[in-house]
Amino acid sequence: GNSVTQMEGPVTLSEEAFLTINCTYTATGYPSLFWYVQYPGEGLQLLLKATKADDKGSNKGFEATYRKETTSFHLEKGSVQVSDSAVYFCALNDSGGGADGLTFGKGTHLIIQP
Amino acid sequence: SQTIHQWPATLVQPVGSPLSLECTVEGTSNPNLYWYRQAAGRGLQLLFYSVGIGQISSEVPQNLSASRPQDRQFILSSKKLLLSDSGFYLCAWSVLRAKGYTFGSGTRLTVV
Repeated sequence: GNSVTQMEGPVTLSEEAFLTINCTYTATGYPSLFWYVQYPGEGLQLLLKATKADDKGSNKGFEATYRKETTSFHLEKGSVQVSDSAVYFCALNDSGGGADGLTFGKGTHLIIQP
Repeated sequence: SQTIHQWPATLVQPVGSPLSLECTVEGTSNPNLYWYRQAAGRGLQLLFYSVGIGQISSEVPQNLSASRPQDRQFILSSKKLLLSDSGFYLCAWSVLRAKGYTFGSGTRLTVV
């Protein structure tokens, strides 16, 4: 079956530090990959996505590249801000014909200190 | 524009009481609808999904049930809540899976 593994944290960084949150996956087909962000007390928001190998998703200074050879989709940002503090979820859905939902990692709690 | 509404935002219920959480979608037709639960210290678990009115697929056996009485309405229910039902419940919709899923703002349920 499908699965997503990501570092759980909490990850604590200083403002303007470089961020990497690792995400690896296993899937039976050719999945689309997503990063979602959950700010305190809120639902999930789509941060970025990639639908095929070597695609790079980017948004709000965050980037992630779909690496089929390493089955990874690591999230990076060059200079984090306090407002980036949130829980980040890596997720996939496969290319099968069903309507089944996303498979999520357990989430990484990111804390940015001023 | 498409929006998704989920209510209530928070709920405290005693053990053994019934539950009904509602989710409605606007601005799209025939969406796929989903209920997820996020329990403390755990990731997001898909509970139910629906591809059309009256069509419900359950991903895990549990104390909960779902119904889709209208195209853009998805309801999560329980006849008798357990302590283990506490968590953050999220409704989501999608039309094209590769484009992603849109989530509601969630309901935080505490069973006491």
